[in-house]
Amino acid sequence: GAGVSQSPSNKVTEKGKDVELRCDPISGHTALYWYRQRLGQGLEFLIYFQGNSAPDKSGLPSDRFSAERTGESVSTLTIQRTQQEDSAVYLCAEQSFGPGGLPAGELFFGEGSRLTVL
Amino acid sequence: QQQVKQSPQSLIVQKGGISIINCAYENTAFDYFPWYQQFPGKGPALLIAIRPDVSEKKEGRFTISFNKSAKQFSLHIMDSQPGDSATYFCAASPHDYKLSFGAGTTVTVRA
Repeated sequence: GAGVSQSPSNKVTEKGKDVELRCDPISGHTALYWYRQRLGQGLEFLIYFQGNSAPDKSGLPSDRFSAERTGESVSTLTIQRTQQEDSAVYLCAEQSFGPGGLPAGELFFGEGSRLTVL
Repeated sequence: QQQVKQSPQSLIVQKGGISIINCAYENTAFDYFPWYQQFPGKGPALLIAIRPDVSEKKEGRFTISFNKSAKQFSLHIMDSQPGDSATYFCAASPHDYKLSFGAGTTVTVRA
C-alpha cells in the first residue's frame, strides 16, 4: 500500500477564501488520515477515515475545516474562510488494515500540500 | 497538548559520529513507537519501529532503545552520514492507530 498523491503541491490564497486539498491513495480499502504540519513543528492529527466514514474527527481545529472520502479512495480536505494561522503543510497518509479489520503498521505519507494564506 | 515530547530540537554531528534523539510519553496505553524520517519537501517515511515487548531494536545503523518503566525511548544513529541529514520524528500510539508525533529533531551531519 505505498504511494499517496496529493494536490495541489502548493497553494497560495487570500485570507477569507475557501481551499480544497486532494489526497489520492494508490491502494483502496485502507485507513486514511489527514495531518497538519506547521513550520518547525510536529505532525498534528486532523481526521481519520475508515472506508468512507470518519469515526474520528477530533483533530479538526474548527468548523471551518471539513473532509470527505469517496469510493474508499480519494479524500478532500476543505478549509473555508481561510485564516493566516491555517498556513501549514497538510499531509495525507494511508495505512493498511490488519487482522480484525483495525489499522495496522506503517503509515505511507504523501508529499503534502503546502498552504500559504496571505 | 503534546502527548510525545522530543529533544533536542536540532543537532549537528560530524560524519562518523553518533546522533541521539530522545522522546518521552505519558499515555500508558501507547504500545507502538515508530520513528519517521523526513527530507525537505517530502512526506515522512517510516525508519524503524518498536513495540514494548523488547527493550532494543537495531536495523543497520539505526537503533531504538525503549525504557517502559521510564516511558522513554530514543533513536541512535551510528556512524552518521551526510545522507542522514533530515528531520526525525518520534511517534506513539495505542494499537497502531492515530499516531501522536513529537515536534521533530533536525539532524545535520557535517562531512
